[in-house]
Amino acid sequence: AQKITQTQPGMFVQEKEAVTLDCTYDTSDPSYGLFWYKQPSSGEMIFLIYQGSYDQQNATEGRYSLNFQKARKSANLVISASQLGDSAMYFCAMRGTGANNLFFGTGTRLTVIP
Amino acid sequence: GAVVSQHPSWVICKSGTSVKIECRSLDFQATTMFWYRQFPKQSLMLMATSNEGSKATYEQGVEKDKFLINHASLTLSTLTVTSAHPEDSSFYICSSGGAASSTDTQYFGPGTRLTVL
Repeated sequence: AQKITQTQPGMFVQEKEAVTLDCTYDTSDPSYGLFWYKQPSSGEMIFLIYQGSYDQQNATEGRYSLNFQKARKSANLVISASQLGDSAMYFCAMRGTGANNLFFGTGTRLTVIP
Repeated sequence: GAVVSQHPSWVICKSGTSVKIECRSLDFQATTMFWYRQFPKQSLMLMATSNEGSKATYEQGVEKDKFLINHASLTLSTLTVTSAHPEDSSFYICSSGGAASSTDTQYFGPGTRLTVL
């Protein structure tokens, strides 16, 4: 079984600063994928970044980077140069071997302060 | 990324009526689609996996006779909430893709907000 834990219900960051959103996971699968999604108030789920369990490099997508520490089973999202439009809920998710669906964490609400 | 549409974006209905929600994969063929439900201030919970040409697979605790899923084509899955009650009020969101391997990304529709009076 997979488990995703996001321990920060809410985070605040000053505009233009960087912020790290925490995510830890637990799985017995040898191969798995880790995902981050952004959910603004409109409700849509926007895919941000993906990290494969066997990837040697940490994933990056523009201002988003994933700090993947396999031994610690953590996959933290780093947002650099925060913008007001980054204010939203952020969900960490995982898919294991043989599973089609995603397991989601409880989310972190990020608020960017001008 | 892939484009997934959902219709309607919001619906208000009376208790006891049925509501159909459509999920379309616009730019690729999806043999598998997923239906999630999200209550206010909570995370997404998988309700069922919709398989084209076969029966849906429901998660534990989800009533298959209440939440009817039909995946009639490679681009369309529908979720019908039958005899809706106020406790069914929620945000329903579908996704597509991500069925081939653990590395495949799932893309989500914009969601449908259901309010049952």
